[in-house]
Amino acid sequence: EVQLLESGGGLVQPGGSLRLSCATSGFTFSNYAMSWVRLAPGKGLEWVSSIGGSGTGIYYTDSVKGRFTISRDNLKDTVYLQMNNLEVEDSAMYFCARALKGYAYYGMDVWGLGTTVTVSS
Amino acid sequence: QSALTQPASVSGSPGQSITISCTGSSGDIGGYNYVSWFQHHPGKAPKLILYDVTDRPSGVSIRFSGSKSGNTASLTISGLQSEDEAEYYCGSYTSNSVFYAFGTGTKVTVL
Repeated sequence: EVQLLESGGGLVQPGGSLRLSCATSGFTFSNYAMSWVRLAPGKGLEWVSSIGGSGTGIYYTDSVKGRFTISRDNLKDTVYLQMNNLEVEDSAMYFCARALKGYAYYGMDVWGLGTTVTVSS
Repeated sequence: QSALTQPASVSGSPGQSITISCTGSSGDIGGYNYVSWFQHHPGKAPKLILYDVTDRPSGVSIRFSGSKSGNTASLTISGLQSEDEAEYYCGSYTSNSVFYAFGTGTKVTVL
């Protein structure tokens, strides 16, 4: 069974940092691109970032460029999202998702339950 | 950002059919057949219910169907059931400023 488990969320002050992790199992991790998607209170899903199976092919939404860094460890079957200089607007549930058919442009086929990030003073 | 446009809410009675639209541009829905639809119940993981405009993942009910015309994709839920009450999002690859765009989301209510 394919499983994705996010962790690392929490409460942080504006300007602070967090590192989200998404541990996976049940599939050949290196064959799949992975994405992070967030859902802010009262808003809709927002794609945040994607990374190719080999660690290349990295993309970010404009609002996080220069602040967030996506990475992966294919030996640990884990994808990360390093979030620096956090803003109140970054407060959201962050979901990890596997790429449909292995490539991020196809979309996402399996999602985790998410981890909550709250940015507040 | 470049969100795709969906109606905020759609409702129907049990057994009825409803359709949710998702409008984008030639840079996303109109230019590629990479449209997906996701169902999200609060507190749960979003679930892929359609991909490549019309295809259903294994295990997804045949009551869910999709189509596309020009820059607009549509999700139809037939034989509406109480368990279908959820938020629905379309999604598509986009050659516009962002790499991937989601729709604004549609709350489906079963009356």
